[in-house]
Amino acid sequence: AQSVTQLDSQVPVFEEAPVELRCNYSSSVSVYLFWYVQYPNQGLQLLLKYLSGSTLVESINGFEAEFNKSQTSFHLRKPSVHISDTAEYFCAVSNRGYNKLIFGAGTRLAVHP
Amino acid sequence: SQTIHQWPATLVQPVGSPLSLECTVEGTSNPNLYWYRQAAGRGLQLLFYSVGIGQISSEVPQNLSASRPQDRQFILSSKKLLLSDSGFYLCAWTNFQGGRVIEAFFGQGTRLTVV
Repeated sequence: AQSVTQLDSQVPVFEEAPVELRCNYSSSVSVYLFWYVQYPNQGLQLLLKYLSGSTLVESINGFEAEFNKSQTSFHLRKPSVHISDTAEYFCAVSNRGYNKLIFGAGTRLAVHP
Repeated sequence: SQTIHQWPATLVQPVGSPLSLECTVEGTSNPNLYWYRQAAGRGLQLLFYSVGIGQISSEVPQNLSASRPQDRQFILSSKKLLLSDSGFYLCAWTNFQGGRVIEAFFGQGTRLTVV
């Protein structure tokens, strides 16, 4: 069965510092990969996704993630975070034959002034 | 464009009372629909999903049930709430391509507190 591991449950960081949120998945076949963001008391919003093509995908607010097939990873990065980036981030994987996304446990990003 | 409505936003219910949470989707037909729960400080737990009217798959045994009376309506219910049913409930629907989910869209969630 496929699974998604987010190695850090919480990541504290100072404003304007770089950040990396780690995500690894287990699957022997090709997958689609996603990062979702959840602000307090809200639903999840798609941040970025990898379906095919370039292994580096970017979001409109400065986040990027790189699909690494050999390491089965899809880490999320941002070179300089803002207070407004404080949220919970979920990595997810989609596989052929599954009617659902498989989510990781989430990483809570806390940006401090 | 597609939208997903979920209500109520917050709910406080006594132990042993019934529950009904409703989710409706607009702008798409025959969507796959999902109910997720987030307990405090925990990740997303998939409770139910439905690929069509009257078709419900349960992911975990629990005190809850789901129904899909119409194509774009998904209802989460309980006959008698437990304290452990407290949490943040999210409805979602997905886009498919090539037999795989290519995107999921979420409602704004319902914060349920059982007292």
